[in-house]
Amino acid sequence: QVQVVESGGGVVQPGTSLKLSCAASGFTFSKYNIHWVRQTPDKGLEWVALIYYDGNEKHYADSVKGRFTVSRDNSKNTLYLQMSSLRVDDTAMYYCTDFDFWGQGTLVTVSS
Amino acid sequence: DVVMTQSPLSLPVTLGQPASISCRSSQSLVNRDGNTYLDWFQQRPGQSPRRLIYQVSNRDSGVPDRFSGSGSGTDFTLKISRVEAEDVGVYYCMQGTHWPPWTFGQGTKVEIK
Repeated sequence: QVQVVESGGGVVQPGTSLKLSCAASGFTFSKYNIHWVRQTPDKGLEWVALIYYDGNEKHYADSVKGRFTVSRDNSKNTLYLQMSSLRVDDTAMYYCTDFDFWGQGTLVTVSS
Repeated sequence: DVVMTQSPLSLPVTLGQPASISCRSSQSLVNRDGNTYLDWFQQRPGQSPRRLIYQVSNRDSGVPDRFSGSGSGTDFTLKISRVEAEDVGVYYCMQGTHWPPWTFGQGTKVEIK
């Protein structure tokens, strides 16, 4: 069955970096455009980034542009989100999704 | 960016009774291709979001037929014909017409009276 599993979250200090992964199975990963979406109790659901199926086109929310980089390795069926210059307001649960399927999320906490 | 506004934000309902959630967009969601990219998601307590409805009125696989979506332009509605206990959670609308970014409503919390 279709499954995506996010990992890599944790507690980090402001200004540092973190890399999230999303491992996919049960479908032809290389044919899907995939998003990162984050969720906080205060702001609700917020779209973060999109990467096209072949990795050749990417889009970012203004709030993360220049700090976050989305990438993928279709040979490994894995999506990544490299986050740098992290801020307290990046604290959230991060999901990879094509809006049809969602993972369980990985929690990122940015705190001093 | 397109702003999505849901109402009400909290919806107490009686089991077996209908429920309705409104979602309004700050501009028309009719795409150049003629389609309207408005989705509805359910998030049960402690779970990830799950899409219920795509393109206004199409139910995803496995979604009970008591859920229905309707609307056009800037005005959309999610209806639950008879609320069941498993429907408790937060419901979100999302537009995918004017992207980036994809934008979500604030969420409507459905609870049992």
